[in-house]
Amino acid sequence: SQQGEEDPQALSIQEGENATMNCSYKTSINNLQWYRQNSGRGLVHLILIRSNEREKHSGRLRVTLDTSKKSSSLLITASRAADTASYFCAGISSGSARQLTFGSGTQLTVLP
Amino acid sequence: DAGVIQSPRHEVTEMGQEVTLRCKPISGHNSLFWYRQTMMRGLELLIYFNNNVPIDDSGMPEDRFSAKMPNASFSTLKIQPSEPRDSAVYFCASSSQDGGGQPQHFGDGTRLSIL
Repeated sequence: SQQGEEDPQALSIQEGENATMNCSYKTSINNLQWYRQNSGRGLVHLILIRSNEREKHSGRLRVTLDTSKKSSSLLITASRAADTASYFCAGISSGSARQLTFGSGTQLTVLP
Repeated sequence: DAGVIQSPRHEVTEMGQEVTLRCKPISGHNSLFWYRQTMMRGLELLIYFNNNVPIDDSGMPEDRFSAKMPNASFSTLKIQPSEPRDSAVYFCASSSQDGGGQPQHFGDGTRLSIL
């Protein structure tokens, strides 16, 4: 079963705009991670937020976590064409040590 | 630093043939993961190793799939015999040992096509 489900499945924006992607998960988590995947490449880790954190920033990325709603969001500010990729959330369940369960991803297209 | 290295990048073979995918994790990483990615099922964890020992292989779809990690710097995923439904991109990932779940570093995958 998938731990994370991203929303929307696809998002198309203009360069310079902000992009927001949401993730919902089903079971309690230790942490939630966001990854990016460019076409034909492997996933690249972006940011990790622990269950006791509510918000985290890394450069143009901002991640929030609401454990009461079992949801997270990834905000990319001032988007660039190079941000075009698929974005996945993945959770580490409280009951398992190292297994990440990935959602189906959001395909982000940033138009120049 | 070298990342996770997978080989081959592409593999095309006929059904019934044996397929072996290879992975070299990042030096010093204790955990290694094999994933399969398809349009229909997304990214699925097949098996993971910790300190070269298989910990959870519940994601391995059938007995036709097997994985080994003979040492800390090498792992293989084997499919024998292969079937067209095995066509997918197979990723290997590694991470440093941590009970809380460290970020995983992915290779660029092997795109497998079974004819």
